Amino acid sequence: AQSVTQLDSQVPVFEEAPVELRCNYSSSVSVYLFWYVQYPNQGLQLLLKYLSGSTLVKGINGFEAEFNKSQTSFHLRKPSVHISDTAEYFCAVSRGGSQGNLIFGKGTKLSVKP
Amino acid sequence: DTGVSQDPRHKITKRGQNVTFRCDPISEHNRLYWYRQTLGQGPEFLTYFQNEAQLEKSRLLSDRFSAERPKGSFSTLEIQRTEQGDSAMYLCASSPTNRENYGYTFGSGTRLTVV
Repeated sequence: AQSVTQLDSQVPVFEEAPVELRCNYSSSVSVYLFWYVQYPNQGLQLLLKYLSGSTLVKGINGFEAEFNKSQTSFHLRKPSVHISDTAEYFCAVSRGGSQGNLIFGKGTKLSVKP
Repeated sequence: DTGVSQDPRHKITKRGQNVTFRCDPISEHNRLYWYRQTLGQGPEFLTYFQNEAQLEKSRLLSDRFSAERPKGSFSTLEIQRTEQGDSAMYLCASSPTNRENYGYTFGSGTRLTVV
């Protein structure tokens, strides 16, 4: 079975500073990895995904993530955050090959301060 | 395509009543998923359909919960004899199965409050 650990429940950061949201997963099989963002009282929006190929994945809103198989990590980064990036971010994993459902982490609340 | 639609957005019900939620997925997507999200937690898987077949159900889905997708298009999630512990956001998502486009598109959710 797959599982996801998001190492930080809250990350406060100042506007225009860089940010990294950490995600580790466990799985005995190949996986697909995802980052979603959730704004208050809304559903989840896909930021980016890793299915295969290049380990550096670029997504929307200037975010990127790097798949590290040896460290079983998929950390999300942005070089310069905006106030509008304040939201909750979820890392998710599924069994590779379009099989199985997504397993989500508990989320990281990103608070961007002016 | 307008994305994944969920109805209603909010539902307040008295304990013991039955409630039903509807999800309209993206039309080309043959997979449809239901998740439940409580405050401070990530979404938890409930069940999913491929076309009209319900392929997997979580242990979280007690006998009071039932889901259908009768024609392989929209889906309904019914909760019978609601309990206060059922209060949560219920999220629906759909996805294609082809690898190139794989990934879930979520609806805005239905927030259930049981009083």
